Formats: sequence, structure tokens, C-alpha cells
Amino acid sequence: QQQVKQSPQSLIVQKGGISIINCAYENTAFDYFPWYQQFPGKGPALLIAIRPDVSEKKEGRFTISFNKSAKQFSLHIMDSQPGDSATYFCAASRGNSGYSTLTFGKGTMLLVSP
Amino acid sequence: GAVVSQHPSRVICKSGTSVKIECRSLDFQATTMFWYRQFPKQSLMLMATSNEGSKATYEQGVEKDKFLINHASLTLSTLTVTSAHPEDSSFYICSAPEPLAGVGANEQFFGPGTRLTVL
Repeated sequence: QQQVKQSPQSLIVQKGGISIINCAYENTAFDYFPWYQQFPGKGPALLIAIRPDVSEKKEGRFTISFNKSAKQFSLHIMDSQPGDSATYFCAASRGNSGYSTLTFGKGTMLLVSP
Repeated sequence: GAVVSQHPSRVICKSGTSVKIECRSLDFQATTMFWYRQFPKQSLMLMATSNEGSKATYEQGVEKDKFLINHASLTLSTLTVTSAHPEDSSFYICSAPEPLAGVGANEQFFGPGTRLTVL
């Protein structure tokens, strides 16, 4: 059972455009929703994260939009640059009595054309 | 942010041999670390949770006798792939939760990964 569904699988955006990646989750107990950026041959790096008490979070060119009722969240990359070309993973986790494990989406390969 | 390192970054071994991968938290202590496996163009799959001073917790379908985990200290966890076979070839990544956040911490810091190729 895939608990976090991510789309699209791949995305091509022109330089300066807006990249939008969507994720949907099933487990209502999830309370932390991060986005990770991964370059080939490297480990993932946290880009931005949100908790369900807010509907939007912006950090520079990156914005997360969160819709709790629809159980969906999305990443918007404004003014996309060739250096943003990477694979992006959404994830979700829930607080419990121990450290929370992350459930990842399948990833979106973003290519920003010059 | 906190830094997690892995060693080696790449390893090539012959089928049947064992390979050890180290994961270190460089500037913080981590009583818990996580080990992931990532196949080409696929997502990260959690293999196991490494716990300092106790046995690791393995995810369903992961052979604990094949993937030995030892959390030797508050800054070091090791993953040993025993009797490696070509199908074990993958990108192995470790992570550690944010320090000082306590139980229920969410943010994880990832290591740079180890590329294992089994011939």
C-alpha cells in the first residue's frame, strides 16, 4: 500500500517558469510533510517542510501548499532555474513515542531547460 | 544543519563477500539512525532503524541476517551486507533525526550515500 502518492513522475519546465509537484497521502495521522531534493549520486537534502496547522509555507522560491481536508500538498518552485534540475521527493511522517520514520513518494525528476 | 557522513562513498566487491558501510553523525549525537536503500530511478525504501545500545528494528521483507546493523556509539552506525550478491547492488543511504529535538522528532539529515556494486 503506497501511503504517499506523488505526481508527475517527470517534469520539464522552461527557465523562469513555475514547477509544480503534487503529493497525496492517506494516513491522517501524518503530521509532518517535508520535501527533499536529490541530485544524482547524492543523498537527499531537506528543501522545505510543513506541518498541518498551516496551509502554506514559503522559503525563497520554494512554496508548499497544504490542503488538510483533501489530504494533499504540493511544491511550487518559482522562477525555475537549470540548477533546480534534480529529483524531488515528498514525504510524510507522524509523531509517536519514538523517532518518526519517513514515508516517501516515488519522486519527480525535474528538468529545467535553459 | 547537522552533518551526517558515510564511508565509503563507493564500493565494488565480488559476489559472496561482505561489505561494511559506516554512517557517522559528525557534530551531534544520534541514538537512532535510519538505513535506506535506493535502486536507480526509484524512491528511498526504509530498511531498518538502528538503535544505540539495542537491536535494530527491521522493516518487513528485510533480512536481518543479511543486513547486519550495529549502532556502536552515539555517533556511529554500521550496515554490513553479508554474502553480497549482484541483486544487493544499490545506493545505501543513512539518516539521523534532528538533534536536541527529543522523542517524536521529525526532521532527518541524510548522509551522502554509498554506491554498492556487487560483481
